[in-house]
Amino acid sequence: AQKVTQAQTEISVVEKEDVTLDCVYETRDTTYYLFWYKQPPSGELVFLIRRNSFDEQNEISGRYSWNFQKSTSSFNFTITASQVVDSAVYFCALSEARNNDMRFGAGTRLTVKP
Amino acid sequence: KAGVTQTPRYLIKTRGQQVTLSCSPISGHRSVSWYQQTPGQGLQFLFEYFSETQRNKGNFPGRFSGRQFSNSRSEMNVSTLELGDSALYLCASSPSVGGADTQYFGPGTRLTVL
Repeated sequence: AQKVTQAQTEISVVEKEDVTLDCVYETRDTTYYLFWYKQPPSGELVFLIRRNSFDEQNEISGRYSWNFQKSTSSFNFTITASQVVDSAVYFCALSEARNNDMRFGAGTRLTVKP
Repeated sequence: KAGVTQTPRYLIKTRGQQVTLSCSPISGHRSVSWYQQTPGQGLQFLFEYFSETQRNKGNFPGRFSGRQFSNSRSEMNVSTLELGDSALYLCASSPSVGGADTQYFGPGTRLTVL
């Protein structure tokens, strides 16, 4: 069965600090997809990034970067130079190739203080 | 392109009543998935529809049902409401079935059961 663990419940940083959100996953499938979503107070889940299991290349997109390591089943997400607008709950999610039954972690509440 | 829309945004019902929530996917998307979000259980998959057929179902009682129309719009219905059904119900759309596609979420319907 698939499982996603986000051990960090809450993180508080000061603006301009870098922050890394941790995500560990479990799956028996060899083909799977990992996602990060952001949920601001308005409630809508906003898609941020996605990684396929067969592509371990780590990338940077603006202030966002991610570190995908299959050996440790981790998919960590970093925000560089955080801003107050980054304050939200961040969810890591996993889906397998067969269906859209996306499994979410419990979420990490990030607060960025001015 | 317009995003996923959900109506109504807020709903208050009493125990024993039934409720119908509506979701319009992004134009061209044929898969619609529904999720329930509560503080205690987090984000949980309810079901997925594709081409008017339920493709996958989460671990929820039969009181939760859904359907999809030929234009890919979807509705979910909860009958005999219980207090524990109070939650944010999120709808997501993707181009097709299978976890390979990114799911894009609507703003959600916040249901309160009194």
